[in-house]
Amino acid sequence: GENVEQHPSTLSVQEGDSAVIKCTYSDSASNYFPWYKQELGKRPQLIIDIRSNVGEKKDQRIAVTLNKTAKHFSLHITETQPEDSAVYFCAASMGGGSYIPTFGRGTSLIVHP
Amino acid sequence: GAVVSQHPSRVICKSGTSVKIECRSLDFQATTMFWYRQFPKQSLMLMATSNEGSKATYEQGVEKDKFLINHASLTLSTLTVTSAHPEDSSFYICSAGREAFFGQGTRLTVV
Repeated sequence: GENVEQHPSTLSVQEGDSAVIKCTYSDSASNYFPWYKQELGKRPQLIIDIRSNVGEKKDQRIAVTLNKTAKHFSLHITETQPEDSAVYFCAASMGGGSYIPTFGRGTSLIVHP
Repeated sequence: GAVVSQHPSRVICKSGTSVKIECRSLDFQATTMFWYRQFPKQSLMLMATSNEGSKATYEQGVEKDKFLINHASLTLSTLTVTSAHPEDSSFYICSAGREAFFGQGTRLTVV
């Protein structure tokens, strides 16, 4: 089955700095890669996703890159703000009718004001 | 985005009792829903895949007789924790839809 590795497990940055979280996956058939933000005690929320037919996607301060050859994808947050502090999860799946995501272990991002 | 509603958000029960958790897709039909368990500061662990009109598919190590799943309609899946014990205390969360829209989660405490 699919295996998703996520690094780092914790990331501490100063407000205004950039943050990068990296994930690797094992199954070359995976073609859908979402990222979720989970604030303490709340549900994970989809913040951005990328499909295997593109290499990069950007939404304001958040961007995701995908390298299919190397089987890794990354989340980039620029101009971080304290409200970005949360746990971020990456996931990989094959999509289609039997979409079953495999999650990374999560990254706890702390943005210091 | 799509809305998935989970109820209750918190429940405290005595050991030996059963607890039912509901997961509803409010604005779309979901033939498949997923149930996860999340321990503090850990990732989401897939417990089972709920299939409308058929039996759920359980992940290895998850007791199907303890965690009963019913997916009676295209908008509702239920997870029943039977004969709950303190070690079942956890955060349970459901999801539905291709982009995995999550319910609010249920924090179960068994005393």
